[in-house]
Amino acid sequence: GEDVEQSLFLSVREGDSSVINCTYTDSSSTYLYWYKQEPGAGLQLLTYIFSNMDMKQDQRLTVLLNKKDKHLSLRIADTQTGDSAIYFCAEIGLTGGGNKLTFGTGTQLKVEL
Amino acid sequence: DSGVTQTPKHLITATGQRVTLRCSPRSGDLSVYWYQQSLDQGLQFLIQYYNGEERAKGNILERFSAQQFPDLHSELNLSSLELGDSALYFCASSVQGGNGYTFGSGTRLTVV
Repeated sequence: GEDVEQSLFLSVREGDSSVINCTYTDSSSTYLYWYKQEPGAGLQLLTYIFSNMDMKQDQRLTVLLNKKDKHLSLRIADTQTGDSAIYFCAEIGLTGGGNKLTFGTGTQLKVEL
Repeated sequence: DSGVTQTPKHLITATGQRVTLRCSPRSGDLSVYWYQQSLDQGLQFLIQYYNGEERAKGNILERFSAQQFPDLHSELNLSSLELGDSALYFCASSVQGGNGYTFGSGTRLTVV
């Protein structure tokens, strides 16, 4: 089965690091993703990681993947007020003759001054 | 601008009516996906088309249907609308799934 879970809220102070966690159940997922959604906007792909990797770094973003525990995390260094948004993790899976992204519930990140 | 265009941005309609949402994928992308985002259900996958053919189906109601045309744009048709159909409807496109999907800015549907 497939089920992606995230904590609902995270509050951090500007300049601190944010860590958003995600657990998934579909061990066959080849890629895992992080998307950002700002108020009134669509989903923006932030980064993704291939399932045979443990870590991926992209500027202020670090993705950690623990396949054994089916745990994915996104670390945002030096968090800014512009990082306030909802962050979704997602896994890709095959279905029928195609594919689909299954999204987590989303974590609302609030950055305080 | 993500390159995926959705129209209209907002739609208000009455229960029992039918609406059509339109999506133009990013240039070069053959796959189009439709998602529904609501407060109680989160982001739900509805359907995928690839180069004009239906490839995958998710939690799409029988009152909903979609198609992808030869120019690769897609339409999502919602009929016999109910209050519970009020949601954000997103279209996404991809070349192939592994690199992730590019999402449009969505159509906000309000059924009154």
